Amino acid sequence: GAGVSQSPSNKVTEKGKDVELRCDPISGHTALYWYRQSLGQGLEFLIYFQGNSAPDKSGLPSDRFSAERTGGSVSTLTIQRTQQEDSAVYLCASSLNLAGEQYFGPGTRLTVT
Amino acid sequence: GENVEQHPSTLSVQEGDSAVIKCTYSDSASNYFPWYKQELGKRPQLIIDIRSNVGEKKDQRIAVTLNKTAKHFSLHITETQPEDSAVYFCAARATGGGADGLTFGKGTHLIIQP
Repeated sequence: GAGVSQSPSNKVTEKGKDVELRCDPISGHTALYWYRQSLGQGLEFLIYFQGNSAPDKSGLPSDRFSAERTGGSVSTLTIQRTQQEDSAVYLCASSLNLAGEQYFGPGTRLTVT
Repeated sequence: GENVEQHPSTLSVQEGDSAVIKCTYSDSASNYFPWYKQELGKRPQLIIDIRSNVGEKKDQRIAVTLNKTAKHFSLHITETQPEDSAVYFCAARATGGGADGLTFGKGTHLIIQP
């Protein structure tokens, strides 16, 4: 079946603007995760959802970051008042349940100018 | 929280030789250890994983070993081929109560020399 999809694939924005990134998980997967990968760096965990609920938001880098998931499917990651240090590839992953294997989407490359 | 260390950061091996990448983790509650392969500009792809109830798992040329006592786990690739060239990431996670996301190592750039 279809894998995890993300949109847009690339986003260039000016410093101070808000951006919204979208993730469509694999159908039937109840758990959804957001990660960030900066140039030449590993993957940094941001937040996860079990269903529509995000039990722990402490991994979000700042209060400019928020995420939501509605209907147990699509999730959006919103970054307000973007800064240059927000430039990175934002990756979404989904798994059948919290104990399952995580499958990644292609990512959204965010560039803040 | 969990901390995962990965070594080496770069590994160059001759085609046909074996490659070994090692990781350590800090949280004894971690019970799930996946390995991801990431080619340039592409998404991380799960290549193998191991759970804490086993010590070794194999899939063709790839194997992973886990030492829970020492909090070490390793990826072994035998008979390396040019298409094995990529960045490999190890990760750890506790999947029980208070489950969180994966904590990743910094990655190993594996270069297969022809």
